[in-house]
Amino acid sequence: GAGVSQSPSNKVTEKGKDVELRCDPISGHTALYWYRQSLGQGLEFLIYFQGNSAPDKSGLPSDRFSAERTGGSVSTLTIQRTQQEDSAVYLCASSPRSASYEQYFGPGTRLTVT
Amino acid sequence: GQQLNQSPQSMFIQEGEDVSMNCTSSSIFNTWLWYKQDPGEGPVLLIALYKAGELTSNGRLTAQFGTTRKDSFLNISASIPSDVGIYFCAGRSRVNTDKLIFGTGTRLQVFP
Repeated sequence: GAGVSQSPSNKVTEKGKDVELRCDPISGHTALYWYRQSLGQGLEFLIYFQGNSAPDKSGLPSDRFSAERTGGSVSTLTIQRTQQEDSAVYLCASSPRSASYEQYFGPGTRLTVT
Repeated sequence: GQQLNQSPQSMFIQEGEDVSMNCTSSSIFNTWLWYKQDPGEGPVLLIALYKAGELTSNGRLTAQFGTTRKDSFLNISASIPSDVGIYFCAGRSRVNTDKLIFGTGTRLQVFP
């Protein structure tokens, strides 16, 4: 079966522009996570969706970041008024249930803000 | 956000050598995980540990859950070129089991 997919794989944008990053989780997975990986760093938690519950947004670094998950499946991470420090790889992971270590990662979207 | 301290940051070894890396935290975790990330890919789960003192192997990989519950170790025996990549530890706390906290990674290079 298909794994987690993300698009685009690479995105170059000018400072101040908005960007949208997409994640298609594994079919049937109820939990979805977004992480940010900066150069030389580990994975920084951003946001977590579980079913129809309110998302855990505690990791979002500023109000320029937001995410939605439509129909309990596809998720979009939006960054408004991008800054150079937003440049990073954005990883999405899905899990078959909450409180599970079985997080399956997509290949990531590399965002470069010029 | 909170991160785990992982060491060493990078390793350059000869093929056939053994590798050791570790991860420490100021918090107690009830699960320790080790992931490997290849270039351009997302992390892939290698080993999961659930009990203090637990020692688990996956082929040439062996990981241990530290007895203090604040650290974990990963060993790779007889390294081969395809072991190249970045290894991340991750911990799951007792308080919030829905989140993983990741280490800063160990970059491994293997020379033939």
